[in-house]
Amino acid sequence: GAVVSQHPSWVICKSGTSVKIECRSLDFQATTMFWYRQFPKQSLMLMATSNEGSKATYEQGVEKDKFLINHASLTLSTLTVTSAHPEDSSFYICSAHGHGSYNEQFFGPGTRLTVL
Amino acid sequence: DQQVKQNSPSLSVQEGRISILNCDYTNSMFDYFLWYKKYPAEGPTFLISISSIKDKNEDGRFTVFLNKSAKHLSLHIVPSQPGDSAVYFCAASVQGNKLVFGAGTILRVKS
Repeated sequence: GAVVSQHPSWVICKSGTSVKIECRSLDFQATTMFWYRQFPKQSLMLMATSNEGSKATYEQGVEKDKFLINHASLTLSTLTVTSAHPEDSSFYICSAHGHGSYNEQFFGPGTRLTVL
Repeated sequence: DQQVKQNSPSLSVQEGRISILNCDYTNSMFDYFLWYKKYPAEGPTFLISISSIKDKNEDGRFTVFLNKSAKHLSLHIVPSQPGDSAVYFCAASVQGNKLVFGAGTILRVKS
């Protein structure tokens, strides 16, 4: 099956710093990658949709200047949380959607971000 | 507006019995539905899906039923195993666009 990795798996940072999370599709080319956020005991909330070589499309209420997304290649997308604050602490998950998987998204293992 | 709803936050089932997880949706434009399984601190894993042109799809112990008139789908797991204990999310999409997830149901299978 398709494999998606995320790095790092967990990160602790100080308030005001920026954190970059990488999402890679390991065995297929991902034309589209999605970034989700999950709060404890809640569902996955889509933050943005990222297409290779173009600007990301952000969901309503998600600050694009705070959550910078770059999708520079067909196998890599990055999410940078800029000037992180404690309320940004969450579980961030990416997923990838390739040519052959019209409706299916393959999820990464997630990144636990804790902002002190 | 919550377009995909999983009204049961948790479900407890005895090993070997059937687990039935339910999901309701409000958007009649949804044409593809998926079930994902998720363990704590891990990403969701795809389980099974169904297109709106079908009313049933089966894969081993997992069967998904779709009732379009009621805007309802369910996931049946038979027989349930302790390793099935996880959070189950249903999700829906319109023409392969973004997935809309339900809030999830915690399944506990007791041995």
